[in-house]
Amino acid sequence: EAGVTQSPTHLIKTRGQQATLRCSPISGHTSVYWYQQALGLGLQFLLWYDEGEERNRGNFPPRFSGRQFPNYSSELNVNALELEDSALYLCASSLEGGNWGGQPQHFGDGTRLSIL
Amino acid sequence: GENVEQHPSTLSVQEGDSAVIKCTYSDSASNYFPWYKQELGKGPQLIIDIRSNVGEKKDQRIAVTLNKTAKHFSLHITETQPEDSAVYFCASGSYIPTFGRGTSLIVHP
Repeated sequence: EAGVTQSPTHLIKTRGQQATLRCSPISGHTSVYWYQQALGLGLQFLLWYDEGEERNRGNFPPRFSGRQFPNYSSELNVNALELEDSALYLCASSLEGGNWGGQPQHFGDGTRLSIL
Repeated sequence: GENVEQHPSTLSVQEGDSAVIKCTYSDSASNYFPWYKQELGKGPQLIIDIRSNVGEKKDQRIAVTLNKTAKHFSLHITETQPEDSAVYFCASGSYIPTFGRGTSLIVHP
């Protein structure tokens, strides 16, 4: 069974640009979660999508947005990039399970976003 | 919102020793408590989880205990091996997850 795949592996941008990160969930999983992992910090919850709908978002500004496609893959868009957006962005998927804890989350290996 | 404190931030043990990592949480409505292992350059991997209606769960050398009254849960690894070296994260929450800041476990051969 293929795991969660994320692309690109690395992404280098400059301040003010826009970044798009992509995630393909495990086959059969309908929920996709996005997290930001800044250096030395734990994972910060960004967004949760299920069945194409945004179900919840963490404490991040609106320039962080995303969507989920009919095939359950997802993309994360970050507009007006700032230096502090430099981090590892992780995607996780799970079977549909409603709120947190309904089903275990399986993570991809992330996209390293560097802002110059 | 939920606040999760994880200790210690670094734990160094000899191969064969036991390792214990503790987390405390603030939201009494939290009902799911997973532990993840993250190796360098990889995403977190779920190693064990526990739900609020269970006090302890074991899986071979790994166990998790939960004390809902005191709002803390712990990861126990017995007979540690060098391949257990990684960063371990706890998480909790009732609707969305909050993660601890991680514990870097170093197992010396």
